[in-house]
Amino acid sequence: EVQLLQSGAEVMKAGESLKISCQGVGYTFTDYWIAWVRQMPGKGLESMGFIFPGDSDTRYSPSFQGQVTISADRSISTVYLQWSSLKASDSAKYFCARHSGQSIGDPHDSWGQGTLVSVSS
Amino acid sequence: SFVLTQPPSVSEAPGRTARITCGGDNIGTKRVHWYQQKSGQAPVVVIYFGSDRPSGIPERFSGSRSGNTATLTITGVEAGDEADYYCQVWDNSRDLVVFGGGTKLTVL
Repeated sequence: EVQLLQSGAEVMKAGESLKISCQGVGYTFTDYWIAWVRQMPGKGLESMGFIFPGDSDTRYSPSFQGQVTISADRSISTVYLQWSSLKASDSAKYFCARHSGQSIGDPHDSWGQGTLVSVSS
Repeated sequence: SFVLTQPPSVSEAPGRTARITCGGDNIGTKRVHWYQQKSGQAPVVVIYFGSDRPSGIPERFSGSRSGNTATLTITGVEAGDEADYYCQVWDNSRDLVVFGGGTKLTVL
């Protein structure tokens, strides 16, 4: 069974750095794009960017370019989303989601449970 | 960037047909997917590539697209269909993925 297992909730202060994770199990991790999706409280889904773990090809949505870093560690089938200096406006739930094929145009067929990040100012 | 427009809310009585639209430039030619997100849960794909239905999704869910509008249709709406629905499109000209703003379906 394909599963994406995300790290637990984080309570942070503005200015701190943070790295959250998403481990893929039950499939060949290097063969599928993984996306990060933000959902701010009471708001909709926003695509942040994607990574292809096979070669670490990474793309960012314009709103998130330079604000976060997406990376992958193939040896432990894990993708990361990282901030160097958090802002209160980064408070949100973050989902990782697998694209069902080898194109980012393919749908997300599996989602993580979400990681809630709370940032106080 | 590519903008997708959804109505904020749609309401329908049980047993009726609910239609949720997603407007975008030439969306009829693009890869369009629809997700259902129930309160406190991760989204689930209900329609992909405009009109395909994943296994396990009831036949009551269908999708279509033409011109500048894609539509998710739920026939025989049930209380359990109450959720937020999002369209998603791949903007292949910029290699980006975009979500619509979401539509809250209320079953009266």
